[in-house]
Amino acid sequence: AQSVSQHNHHVILSEAASLELGCNYSYGGTVNLFWYVQYPGQHLQLLLKYFSGDPLVKGIKGFEAEFIKSKFSFNLRKPSVQWSDTAEYFCAVNRRLSGTYKYIFGTGTRLKVLA
Amino acid sequence: SQTIHQWPATLVQPVGSPLSLECTVEGTSNPNLYWYRQAAGRGLQLLFYSVGIGQISSEVPQNLSASRPQDRQFILSSKKLLLSDSGFYLCAWSWTEEAFFGQGTRLTVV
Repeated sequence: AQSVSQHNHHVILSEAASLELGCNYSYGGTVNLFWYVQYPGQHLQLLLKYFSGDPLVKGIKGFEAEFIKSKFSFNLRKPSVQWSDTAEYFCAVNRRLSGTYKYIFGTGTRLKVLA
Repeated sequence: SQTIHQWPATLVQPVGSPLSLECTVEGTSNPNLYWYRQAAGRGLQLLFYSVGIGQISSEVPQNLSASRPQDRQFILSSKKLLLSDSGFYLCAWSWTEEAFFGQGTRLTVV
């Protein structure tokens, strides 16, 4: 079945550690890729997005993601996490189907950063 | 600028009671509208989407229904809630590639 997979459901890191969250999708053809973040008690916010062009995308708060088409992956990275990065992170794929764009989300990764 | 409003923020309902969650968008016209549910440990699941007034597509068979009586209004309903309907419900709108989300409604069915 077509899906978006996030392999790490829970990640615990110490401050200043490096972060990489995996995301793989199984859709063929042209897709748009996103990472969203949901801080505790807040609504979903866009971290970064990839539509085309440079496969290394830089987003807000020092996050970046790399689109590797051959691996159907869009992994999220941050060189040095902070306590304030504690949140849930969602990868999403957007495809144009039947005249509209449909977002398919992964199951999310809960990140806890220890001070 | 465009804004999306979703209410209520939290809701506790008994099993068997009806449900109506409302979502409205301001500052745009003819948006694509979406309802998602976030259940514990299951990520965000697309429930319904709509490309225009009265046009509803359902993604998964379930106890819920959606309606779009006006261009910028999207309603999620149920005639009789089940325990399994508990979760976090998100409304979203988009024109093209990027979607924008409401604050969400946390529904607890007891």
